[in-house]
Amino acid sequence: QVRLVESGGGLVKPGGSLRLSCAASGITLSDSYMSWIRQAPGKGLEWVSYISYSDGTTYYADAVKGRFTISRDNAKNSLYLQMNSLRAEDTAMYYCARPGAYPDYAFDIWGQGTMVTVSS
Amino acid sequence: EIVMTQSPATLSVSPGERATLSCRASQSVSSDLAWYQQKPGQAPRLLIYAASTRATGIPARFSGSGSGTEFTLTISSLQSEDFAIYYCQQYHNWPPGSLTFGGGTKVDFK
Repeated sequence: QVRLVESGGGLVKPGGSLRLSCAASGITLSDSYMSWIRQAPGKGLEWVSYISYSDGTTYYADAVKGRFTISRDNAKNSLYLQMNSLRAEDTAMYYCARPGAYPDYAFDIWGQGTMVTVSS
Repeated sequence: EIVMTQSPATLSVSPGERATLSCRASQSVSSDLAWYQQKPGQAPRLLIYAASTRATGIPARFSGSGSGTEFTLTISSLQSEDFAIYYCQQYHNWPPGSLTFGGGTKVDFK
């Protein structure tokens, strides 16, 4: 059964850090451009970051560039998002998601999400 | 960055009626366009990719059309389980670069 399970969310003060994890089963994360996508409460979807399957190249949305770092552990078949210097506007549900195969990079597999709340 | 604009923000429809949702891109995305459905408390679910191809297990009442900058998602006969928020997303020339979603259309009971 194909499954993505996120964890690591919680309440953190502004300026603090969190590390999100996404564990995969039934698929191999290193075969895909795995991404993190977030959704602020009552708002729409916002793509955050991806990591290339081939060479580990990473890319970030401007809103998180320099503060967030995406990585993966192939041996554990897991994806991570290290979030530093957190701000109130980073409060959101964070989803890991896998796009389909080239050339149709729509996200066909999503985790259930993990909630991050940045508040003093 | 390609900006995706969805309209209307809310669409009030009765069960059994047809629903037509629109998505416009600020520049051509060819057919690199997906539609998702999201229900409260759930992750988004892929409905349509490549502008008009239904994802696995998606009922035939969902159809997508368009290319370039104008796209449409049509639900031919709304069922009770179809009341949700729908998002479009472009993935043109990705990767590298960013991906963008539309702001969503909420389909609710008339």
